[in-house]
Amino acid sequence: GDSVTQMEGPVTLSEEAFLTINCTYTATGYPSLFWYVQYPGEGLQLLLKATKADDKGSNKGFEATYRKETTSFHLEKGSVQVSDSAVYFCALAGTGFQKLVFGTGTRLLVSP
Amino acid sequence: DVKVTQSSRYLVKRTGEKVFLECVQDMDHENMFWYRQDPGLGLRLIYFSYDVKMKEKGDIPEGYSVSREKKERFSLILESASTNQTSMYLCASAIRGGGRNEQYFGPGTRLTVT
Repeated sequence: GDSVTQMEGPVTLSEEAFLTINCTYTATGYPSLFWYVQYPGEGLQLLLKATKADDKGSNKGFEATYRKETTSFHLEKGSVQVSDSAVYFCALAGTGFQKLVFGTGTRLLVSP
Repeated sequence: DVKVTQSSRYLVKRTGEKVFLECVQDMDHENMFWYRQDPGLGLRLIYFSYDVKMKEKGDIPEGYSVSREKKERFSLILESASTNQTSMYLCASAIRGGGRNEQYFGPGTRLTVT
């Protein structure tokens, strides 16, 4: 079945450092790919998405490119802030009904 | 502003009790979901509904049931709570139309079963 693998955390960075959180997937067909973020004490919210190969999703300085050849959707940000501290989830939606398959989440801790 | 609300942020119940978790959305969405979130396991889908009175099992439905009598409300029921159901429960909603559509999440209910 469909699955998502993302790097274990926590990822600990200093403010203004470069961020990469790796995500790879296994799916049949052409899934849509998502990054969701969960801030402390809150539910998840959509950060960005890409619906076809080579699409780049971007939001709030974060970017991820849908790479079909490497089945990856890595999240990047050039300069992180303390306010980016959260748990980040990679997810995919396969063809058919709108079920999301989530990775295990990666906690990001940014220190001043 | 879109909103998904859950009836409680924290809940403590005893083993064997019947537990109701309520979720309400104000976006007129057709699809609603219940997930549980556990450390190291991410989010796992328990049940979902794509219309009033319709329900489908997700990946881990055992020990749970759901009810959707009105479009805006989706309830998760633990018929006889057990300690392995201690978890964070998240409700979400989305418009109908396939996997490209964003899901909107509530803040979660942290349930402890003692």
